[in-house]
Amino acid sequence: DSGVTQTPKHLITATGQRVTLRCSPRSGDLSVYWYQQSLDQGLQFLIHYYNGEERAKGNILERFSAQQFPDLHSELNLSSLELGDSALYFCASSVVDFPTGELFFGEGSRLTVL
Amino acid sequence: AQSVTQLGSHVSVSEGALVLLRCNYSSSVPPYLFWYVQYPNQGLQLLLKYTSAATLVKGINGFEAEFKKSETSFHLTKPSAHMSDAAEYFCAVTLSGSARQLTFGSGTQLTVLP
Repeated sequence: DSGVTQTPKHLITATGQRVTLRCSPRSGDLSVYWYQQSLDQGLQFLIHYYNGEERAKGNILERFSAQQFPDLHSELNLSSLELGDSALYFCASSVVDFPTGELFFGEGSRLTVL
Repeated sequence: AQSVTQLGSHVSVSEGALVLLRCNYSSSVPPYLFWYVQYPNQGLQLLLKYTSAATLVKGINGFEAEFKKSETSFHLTKPSAHMSDAAEYFCAVTLSGSARQLTFGSGTQLTVLP
């Protein structure tokens, strides 16, 4: 158990819909990272927050947005869903601001768009 | 820009045999390098990391990796494979300084044959 909690574990929805994925980092970790894992794209970095502030953006679509709340949990919002958004979405946390230390990953939220 | 290339998307070894998973990196400055492992239906877990302190890095579960600057490589090895080593292995790179992305390779699926 990494200490990172992601909900929901599985989500099935239809094209055009909107979903919210939630992540609770390890106790004491200020950084939250979101990754998308799919068969064709592999593990893609989406976005990084540190103590409520956005620190870096990767290959995140404009239809996607995220935020980190004062209690440090984070949410990833995916809207106008397309079939290609079906993937495993991972959240990871760490103590420091830079990803030069260990990232602790949750078990992921599997999104299926029908 | 930083990137990693993992040679071989699938590797099969017999139980007790040497495990060698290959990773080559590309970066313009000294990198931080990592190996993560993903067991089925789980998140990623750190095996080991290179942060310039020593070129030979020992990790968990008997794995080790050697940083070779001249070859821009960071291959993962284990002298004797166990059935429990069957998983997907990811090499990852990030840079010191202003870089804030941890970039993952495409992964290598390790199968251990009895």
